[in-house]
Amino acid sequence: DIQMTQSPSTLSASVGDRVTITCRASQSISSWLAWYQQKPGKAPKLLIYKASSLETGVPSRFSGSGSGTEFTLTISSLQPDDFATYYCQQYNTFSRAFGLGTKVEFK
Amino acid sequence: EVQLVESGGGLAQPGGSLRLSCAASGFSFPSYAMNWVRQSPGKGLEWVSAISFHGTDTYYADSVKGRFTISRDNSKNTLYLQMDSLRAEDTAVYSCARVGLTTANFDYWGQGILVTVSS
Repeated sequence: DIQMTQSPSTLSASVGDRVTITCRASQSISSWLAWYQQKPGKAPKLLIYKASSLETGVPSRFSGSGSGTEFTLTISSLQPDDFATYYCQQYNTFSRAFGLGTKVEFK
Repeated sequence: EVQLVESGGGLAQPGGSLRLSCAASGFSFPSYAMNWVRQSPGKGLEWVSAISFHGTDTYYADSVKGRFTISRDNSKNTLYLQMDSLRAEDTAVYSCARVGLTTANFDYWGQGILVTVSS
């Protein structure tokens, strides 16, 4: 099965910071990668699909890049509503493994 | 409005069984593939199982393969997860999720239902 590794596991940042989260796949997944945002007690929200496509309604400060085994999620200017946990997920195979998550917290 | 509502969770003994249901409304359920995802307390998301829109193709995480069975009844707009031979490590909040037709990802989720496996 494909394993997904996210880094860092925790990220301390301030409002206005540029934030980058990395996700690595154990084998090539082409561009079949999604990013989700989850807040405590809430269902995850799809942000990015196919590595770089922005889901409808998601602010343009979120962007995704990468292909093959290395991917990044970037928040260009962190807003108060963005403090949350972010997960990558591969869907190259039917076993849709998630990364372990990156918690973005206040510095 | 798209709604996914899980039921059937609760306390089960190790080795026991539970059946989860996910009632769908607000969209054409038979047109969408569906998945189950779980989250242990304080932990990350774990994909559990998937089923095609017609129900003939099913997929499982290695951690549940041979113990859990996903199914659907398109006439009742309902998704199921039969969980047998339950283990303490199956304790989690279980959520159903719809696979979007354009994104091929989970665009709608249920609120989740807690399953606790303990003696």
